[in-house]
Amino acid sequence: AQTVTQSQPEMSVQEAETVTLSCTYDTSESDYYLFWYKQPPSRQMILVIRQEAYKQQNATENRFSVNFQKAAKSFSLKISDSQLGDAAMYFCAYRRIQGAQKLVFGQGTRLTINP
Amino acid sequence: NAGVMQNPRHLVRRRGQEARLRCSPMKGHSHVYWYRQLPEEGLKFMVYLQKENIIDESGMPKERFSAEFPKEGPSILRIQQVVRGDSAAYFCASSPRLGLPRQPLVYEQFFGPGTRLTVL
Repeated sequence: AQTVTQSQPEMSVQEAETVTLSCTYDTSESDYYLFWYKQPPSRQMILVIRQEAYKQQNATENRFSVNFQKAAKSFSLKISDSQLGDAAMYFCAYRRIQGAQKLVFGQGTRLTINP
Repeated sequence: NAGVMQNPRHLVRRRGQEARLRCSPMKGHSHVYWYRQLPEEGLKFMVYLQKENIIDESGMPKERFSAEFPKEGPSILRIQQVVRGDSAAYFCASSPRLGLPRQPLVYEQFFGPGTRLTVL
């Protein structure tokens, strides 16, 4: 079974600085998708960024980028120029391409932005 | 295009009562997923349904929990004889169809705002 691990329960960063959230996963599949979701206090799940495992290039969405290391099964999220609105829980998630369509989530990292 | 709708947003039940959670997928979406989030934890998959079919219920507790997605109307997650341990946020997500390899836009799951169930 696939598992996703986020080893940082909490992180904090100064506004305008850069922060990196860690995620590792375990799978025997060779092709899959990885995601970072943001959950603000409203509890709405918001997709931040997506990475296809068959793509070597790291995904980027504005101030958000990932460092995808397939051999190490590592998928970290970098947030540049942190803003107060980035404060939230961040969840790393895995999904197979074939077969089961469910998302497998990590435990989450609570990110605090200090003004 | 309205997003995924869930109601109620908050539901309070006493132990032994039944809880019914509703999810209306986005227009044009025929696939629904239910996830449960216990306090201070990540989301855990419960069940995946298409219209009138349960595709994957590997995350559903064996007793008291059931789900349906009828041809007409919303998807329903039903919890019978609730216990305090059922207190959680329940999220529904929908997608247009099965994910196809190398066509990422068609597989994304869009989440509703969740229903927070409190069992007294």
